[in-house]
Amino acid sequence: QQQVKQSPQSLIVQKGGIPIINCAYENTAFDYFPWYQQFPGKGPALLIAIRPDVSEKKEGRFTISFNKSAKQFSLHIMDSQPGDSATYFCAASIVRAAGNKLTFGGGTRVLVKP
Amino acid sequence: DTAVSQTPKYLVTQMGNDKSIKCEQNLGHDTMYWYKQDSKKFLKIMFSYNNKELIINETVPNRFSPKSPDKAHLNLHINSLELGDSAVYFCASSQGQTYNEKLFFGSGTQLSVL
Repeated sequence: QQQVKQSPQSLIVQKGGIPIINCAYENTAFDYFPWYQQFPGKGPALLIAIRPDVSEKKEGRFTISFNKSAKQFSLHIMDSQPGDSATYFCAASIVRAAGNKLTFGGGTRVLVKP
Repeated sequence: DTAVSQTPKYLVTQMGNDKSIKCEQNLGHDTMYWYKQDSKKFLKIMFSYNNKELIINETVPNRFSPKSPDKAHLNLHINSLELGDSAVYFCASSQGQTYNEKLFFGSGTQLSVL
């Protein structure tokens, strides 16, 4: 079963718009939540990450919002640009677990139109 | 210089064949991984090694056998290939195996089993 559910599957916005990608998780043991960005033909690359002790984290135009009680977190891309067109994956892991095992969501393909 | 390189980039083969995918990282990292991305873009961890020691071994058919001759290399050998093995396989590495280690992914190997 999918432990991290991501929506929507795809998203189209105009340049300057704010695509919002949502993720929900079931396992309350998850306590680290990174987002990865993947361009076609490339491997995913870390974008931004959050721990549940904060409700929001910003890095440049990317913001993560985290709602621990709802077991949900989301990625907002402010002032989106055509170069942000990519597939975005949320992920979760357990801090004290052996190894660095990331459980990924299903991905969201974002298209930013000029 | 490519940080995580995997070969080949494309692999087309017949059912029942045995094939290998090679991965090398020049980042000096201690931990390496294999992830599988299916046709729906769903990314799932298969294995991770830390300093040549197997740390994570997900529920993967034993036709898949990873081998780490040294900490800079993690190869994946697949026996008796099946149609369902068609996917993109990503190698990744991280400095260590703690929860917040950034994963560096290779560009993937697209395996097509006919």
